[in-house]
Amino acid sequence: LAKTTQPISMDSYEGQEVNITCSHNNIATNDYITWYQQFPSQGPRFIIQGYKTKVTNEVASLFIPADRKSSTLSLPRVSLSDTAVYYCLVGETGGFKTIFGAGTRLFVKA
Amino acid sequence: DSGVTQTPKHLITATGQRVTLRCSPRSGDLSVYWYQQSLDQGLQFLIQYYNGEERAKGNILERFSAQQFPDLHSELNLSSLELGDSALYFCASSQDSGMLYFGPGTRLTVT
Repeated sequence: LAKTTQPISMDSYEGQEVNITCSHNNIATNDYITWYQQFPSQGPRFIIQGYKTKVTNEVASLFIPADRKSSTLSLPRVSLSDTAVYYCLVGETGGFKTIFGAGTRLFVKA
Repeated sequence: DSGVTQTPKHLITATGQRVTLRCSPRSGDLSVYWYQQSLDQGLQFLIQYYNGEERAKGNILERFSAQQFPDLHSELNLSSLELGDSALYFCASSQDSGMLYFGPGTRLTVT
């Protein structure tokens, strides 16, 4: 499984765009990139998944450069309720041992 | 609501005891995963089952065991409990699409 590296924590203010970058230098050809969000005492929740270029849904965008060695989760106009831990995972869809890294703690301030 | 259910929600027990945590996956999901999350720690992968068979094992202690039944629900058995086993235990299910759907968790407190 590709190892991922993310910042441990980030601070932002309400209304700002937040970009969280994840490095995955040894990503394999069949690997997808998936991001999850976790609030305290709750299970992680799927945010977005992509393979290359850009993916957008109603809550976030995911930017993946051509070499796929990193990816950036973009949260537009964050609110206080976006304060959470964000995990980047890399692996084959349906792959074994879905392992979470330490994640990025995002603090959104008023 | 992810569609994954876990029971009980809370469990308080004493050291040395044995407990069973139960998970019902989303309808149609064949894979079940178990994770442990201690206070302010990351999610530790314990074990994965696919359609009744063990598929992958993580850092699961020998005192812990799991199984997935023909109706696809899964149970995680924790025995000879220690104070350090106090944690949130999450179950997740998937259809092998790479997307995991997590349950609300079981909070285990060992006193």
